Amino acid sequence: AQSVTQLDSQVPVFEEAPVELRCNYSSSVSVYLFWYVQYPNQGLQLLLKYLSGSTLVKGINGFEAEFNKSQTSFHLRKPSVHISDTAEYFCAVSDGYNQGGKLIFGQGTELSVKP
Amino acid sequence: GAVVSQHPSWVICKSGTSVKIECRSLDFQATTMFWYRQFPKQSLMLMATSNEGSKATYEQGVEKDKFLINHASLTLSTLTVTSAHPEDSSFYICSARSDTTMGTEAFFGQGTRLTVV
Repeated sequence: AQSVTQLDSQVPVFEEAPVELRCNYSSSVSVYLFWYVQYPNQGLQLLLKYLSGSTLVKGINGFEAEFNKSQTSFHLRKPSVHISDTAEYFCAVSDGYNQGGKLIFGQGTELSVKP
Repeated sequence: GAVVSQHPSWVICKSGTSVKIECRSLDFQATTMFWYRQFPKQSLMLMATSNEGSKATYEQGVEKDKFLINHASLTLSTLTVTSAHPEDSSFYICSARSDTTMGTEAFFGQGTRLTVV
């Protein structure tokens, strides 16, 4: 069975500071990893995904994540955050067969960017 | 990216009534749709997977007779919450993907906030 753990439920940070949102996963098969952002009362928007190839993945809005198989991690980073990055962030995993469809989500991390 | 639309965005209903939520893929044919439920300040939990023209596959613990899912066409799936009760109040989100053309990604609707009073 697959599972995802987001290690921080809340991350407060000042504007223009760097941020890292942590995600660890467990799976007995090859995985595909995703980060989504959710604004209040809205659906999810894909930030980035890792399917194969380069372990450093760049996404939208200046975010990037690094797949680390030995540490079973997929941490999300941004070098300089903006107020508009305040939102809930979800890490998710799917197995090879379903790829991006059937997702197992982490608990979410609330990023709060303060001026 | 592709667009998935949910309707309504929010709904309030009386306890004991049924509510239907629609999920439409606007610019692609969705061979597979997924329904998730999200409680406040919590993560998304997969409820069921539906493939066009076949019965939905429900996750363990999800009552199929209470949460009726229909995927009658390649652009529309519906979730009907039957005999709703206050504990069914939640945020319901669908996602859709095409197994043939869209690669690996599933696209999410904007969600439906259901409040049962």
